[in-house]
Amino acid sequence: AQTVTQSQPEMSVQEAETVTLSCTYDTSESDYYLFWYKQPPSRQMILVIRQEAYKQQNATENRFSVNFQKAAKSFSLKISDSQLGDAAMYFCAYRSAMGYGGSQGNLIFGKGTKLSVKP
Amino acid sequence: NAGVMQNPRHLVRRRGQEARLRCSPMKGHSHVYWYRQLPEEGLKFMVYLQKENIIDESGMPKERFSAEFPKEGPSILRIQQVVRGDSAAYFCASSVNSGRADTQYFGPGTRLTVL
Repeated sequence: AQTVTQSQPEMSVQEAETVTLSCTYDTSESDYYLFWYKQPPSRQMILVIRQEAYKQQNATENRFSVNFQKAAKSFSLKISDSQLGDAAMYFCAYRSAMGYGGSQGNLIFGKGTKLSVKP
Repeated sequence: NAGVMQNPRHLVRRRGQEARLRCSPMKGHSHVYWYRQLPEEGLKFMVYLQKENIIDESGMPKERFSAEFPKEGPSILRIQQVVRGDSAAYFCASSVNSGRADTQYFGPGTRLTVL
């Protein structure tokens, strides 16, 4: 079974600085997707960024980028120029890309990292 | 384009009562997923449905929990005879399909409190 581990329960960053959130995962599959979701105090889950395992290029979305190391099964999120609105819980998630049927649609989440942004 | 809708946002039930949680997927989405989030935890998969079909319920407790996604209307997660341990946030997500281009979009969640 696949697992996702986020080893940093809490992180803090100064406004305008850069922070990196760690995520490792365990799988025997070669084809899968990885995601970072943000959950602000409103508890709404918001997709931040997505990475396909078959793509070597790291995904980027504005101030958010990932460092995807497939061999090491590592998927870290870098937030540049941190803003007060970035303060939230961040969840790393895994989804299999197996064929139709079975549990390929399910997201497997880590326990999250609580990010605080200091003004 | 409206996002995923869930209602109610907050639900309070006494032990032994029934809880019904509703989820309306995004327009054009035919796949629905339910997740549960316990305090200080990540989300845990419960069930995956398409219209009129349960595709995967491997994360669903064997008793008291059921889910449906009828041809017309929202998806319903039903919890019978609730207990205090059912207190959690329940999230629904929807996607266009389950293929390679699939991305799950989440609703705002329903926070269930069992007294």
